[in-house]
Amino acid sequence: DSGVTQTPKHLITATGQRVTLRCSPRSGDLSVYWYQQSLDQGLQFLIQYYNGEERAKGNILERFSAQQFPDLHSELNLSSLELGDSALYFCASSPGSLANEKLFFGSGTQLSVL
Amino acid sequence: AQKVTQAQTEISVVEKEDVTLDCVYETRDTTYYLFWYKQPPSGELVFLIRRNSFDEQNEISGRYSWNFQKSTSSFNFTITASQVVDSAVYFCALSEGGSGTYKYIFGTGTRLKVLA
Repeated sequence: DSGVTQTPKHLITATGQRVTLRCSPRSGDLSVYWYQQSLDQGLQFLIQYYNGEERAKGNILERFSAQQFPDLHSELNLSSLELGDSALYFCASSPGSLANEKLFFGSGTQLSVL
Repeated sequence: AQKVTQAQTEISVVEKEDVTLDCVYETRDTTYYLFWYKQPPSGELVFLIRRNSFDEQNEISGRYSWNFQKSTSSFNFTITASQVVDSAVYFCALSEGGSGTYKYIFGTGTRLKVLA
């Protein structure tokens, strides 16, 4: 068990809808990362937060947004969902904001858009 | 540009065979870090190893070994005497710089199937 908690584990919704994925980092970790894993594109980096502030942005669509709250948990909001958004969404955490830190991953949220 | 390439999409070997997973990276930074992660069928990625750009010494840990060559921008992973439990997707990752703003990116992964 990595200590990173993601909820829900599975989410089924329809096109056009909006969903929120939640992540609680390991105790003491200040950084949270979001990744999207699809069959053909591997693990795509979406965004990183450190202690409540956005630190780095990857290939995150404008329909997607995220934030990290004062208690350090993070939420990834996906809106106007399309079939292509179906994927496994991972959250990871690390103690600080150093590039050499290893990441601790949650078990992911499987999103199915029908 | 920062990029990680894992050209092998899927590899199948028979148990006890040795197997090497390739990873080629691109970066403009002189300071960077390379990682390997394992994603077993359960789904959660697990850290295996980290290397910094100033340390080209190869590393061995049990049946696992890693070969880092800056001259070819490669960080390959070898499993000796593979076992069925090694079946997983393996990801290579790259992170640049020291602290602050950086992107921690992954390759597309190599699915390893070890057959009994």
